[in-house]
Amino acid sequence: AQSVSQHNHHVILSEAASLELGCNYSYGGTVNLFWYVQYPGQHLQLLLKYFSGDPLVKGIKGFEAEFIKSKFSFNLRKPSVQWSDTAEYFCAVSFMTTDSWGKLQFGSGTQVVVTP
Amino acid sequence: EAGVAQSPRYKIIEKRQSVAFWCNPISGHATLYWYQQILGQGPKLLIQFQNNGVVDDSQLPKDRFSAERLKGVDSTLKIQPAKLEDSAVYLCASSPGWGDRGYEQYFGPGTRLTVT
Repeated sequence: AQSVSQHNHHVILSEAASLELGCNYSYGGTVNLFWYVQYPGQHLQLLLKYFSGDPLVKGIKGFEAEFIKSKFSFNLRKPSVQWSDTAEYFCAVSFMTTDSWGKLQFGSGTQVVVTP
Repeated sequence: EAGVAQSPRYKIIEKRQSVAFWCNPISGHATLYWYQQILGQGPKLLIQFQNNGVVDDSQLPKDRFSAERLKGVDSTLKIQPAKLEDSAVYLCASSPGWGDRGYEQYFGPGTRLTVT
């Protein structure tokens, strides 16, 4: 069965530090990849997505992610975090099988706390 | 454009009682999803509608959960009778269902259910 895993459950870092969150999936076929963010008290918002083409994708608020097909990974990065980046981050994968069009499978999330 | 609307935002019920959640998707979005998000986990898909038809309900506990989208717009999710393990946030999401952004899901604020 397909699965999505996020390596870190909690990350604490200082402002201006760099952030990298890992995401791996298990499936040998075509996938669509997403990162969602949930700020405190707010709903899930799309940060960035990858469907095809350039494996380095840029999203909102200075975030980027790189799809490495050989490693089944889609890691999220930000060179310099701000206090306002404190949130929970979810990796989500759409496994493009014949019966799963559009269906998302989420990782368990990573709680990121940025200290001033 | 208006986002996905959900109500109520919070609900507390006793076990064995029934509860219903309502969702109004973004106007024109053909696909509607209901997710269950248990504390500390990522959202898990319960049911997916395409217009007013069910595309996937394989993860819906059909002995107690039901959902409908009668006119292809609003949707309701019902639990009857509720169990303690149903305590979670219930998220509704919608997507256009076609075109380049057909796979992008937009989430509502969720309904936090506590079963005592």
